[in-house]
Amino acid sequence: EPEVTQTPSHQVTQMGQEVILRCVPISNHLYFYWYRQILGQKVEFLVSFYNNEISEKSEIFDDQFSVERPDGSNFTLKIRSTKLEDSAMYFCASLRDISYEQYFGPGTRLTVT
Amino acid sequence: AQSVAQPEDQVNVAEGNPLTVKCTYSVSGNPYLFWYVQYPNRGLQFLLKYITGDNLVKGSYGFEAEFNKSQTSFHLKKPSALVSDSALYFCAVSLKAAGNKLTFGGGTRVLVKP
Repeated sequence: EPEVTQTPSHQVTQMGQEVILRCVPISNHLYFYWYRQILGQKVEFLVSFYNNEISEKSEIFDDQFSVERPDGSNFTLKIRSTKLEDSAMYFCASLRDISYEQYFGPGTRLTVT
Repeated sequence: AQSVAQPEDQVNVAEGNPLTVKCTYSVSGNPYLFWYVQYPNRGLQFLLKYITGDNLVKGSYGFEAEFNKSQTSFHLKKPSALVSDSALYFCAVSLKAAGNKLTFGGGTRVLVKP
């Protein structure tokens, strides 16, 4: 069964550093998403991406965040200058069509020190 | 704005007994409703969804859920719980008009005791 993959599984970085989280969505999916889950809290929407552009973003997704689908397979989330409060589990998800369910990757645990 | 409430942080049930996990939602429009399950150190796994049609939907691992529009609820049920059902369960809602972004409830931890 096809699945969403994410790398790395765990990333440790120092405050102020740039990080790139990578995702490979399911190949015939058209919609792509990033969510995050701070430890002990609910899963929160960050951004959705369709037709090579951002379709919606939350207030969390400020100028420090960006997304890209550079080569038609990878979908990346970049945090330009990480803060302590960016420490969380980041989930990538993809969706084939609006009447279907989103498939989630296993997540990348980001720890900012 | 859309929101989801899961009123119970934890549900304890004995193996073999029925399991219910509650979810209520608030949206402006016709909702798409989902249940996901999260095992320790794992991603979110899809269980079932309501898009349209029959209010009772059946999903993976013997789970089912009933969409109740008047009560804006989408409770998850399983007739006979297994120890392996112990996990964190999330209810989520989306709207077609909102690009299908998912809004999640806070999660309910289910503990099934042998």
